[in-house]
Amino acid sequence: SQQGEEDPQALSIQEGENATMNCSYKTSINNLQWYRQNSGRGLVHLILIRSNEREKHSGRLRVTLDTSKKSSSLLITASRAADTASYFCATAKAAGNKLTFGGGTRVLVKP
Amino acid sequence: EAGVAQSPRYKIIEKRQSVAFWCNPISGHATLYWYQQILGQGPKLLIQFQNNGVVDDSQLPKDRFSAERLKGVDSTLKIQPAKLEDSAVYLCASSPSRGAGGGRETQYFGPGTRLLVL
Repeated sequence: SQQGEEDPQALSIQEGENATMNCSYKTSINNLQWYRQNSGRGLVHLILIRSNEREKHSGRLRVTLDTSKKSSSLLITASRAADTASYFCATAKAAGNKLTFGGGTRVLVKP
Repeated sequence: EAGVAQSPRYKIIEKRQSVAFWCNPISGHATLYWYQQILGQGPKLLIQFQNNGVVDDSQLPKDRFSAERLKGVDSTLKIQPAKLEDSAVYLCASSPSRGAGGGRETQYFGPGTRLLVL
């Protein structure tokens, strides 16, 4: 079974707009990670946030984590056509590294 | 640094046939993972190796799937016999080691092998 559930399942925006997607999970975690997958390609790690952190930034990415609500959000600011991809959240229950992925959010950025 | 290599990239077989996938992780990475990704879904972990030992294979259908990592480097995943529902992308990933800190939780993925079972 999948631990994380992303919302929305699909998102279509214009270039330059912000894209926000959410992830909810069911059990306690050690860390939560976001990955990007371009069509037909492998996954690329974007950012990791630990259970004792509330917010992290990396370039145009901003991730928040609310452990009381068991949810996380990923914000992509000033989106570009190259951001078109599927975005997955993945949770790790312990630092032992086993990741459980959600179903993903498919993002389309129109030029 | 070279990434995770996988082969073949595509494979088409008929049901009940056998198939094998190969993975070469990033040099020095002790942990290796095999995931199955069905179209429209997120990856599901099949098996995790730490060096040449199995850490987690709880979601591996052991009646038909097998995997090995004999020398703690390359790994092969085999399906015998294949079923229609095995059609998916099989992703291999590696990470420096188990445990926290220093980016060791980050997993590096290969391009995947797309399997179609007819």
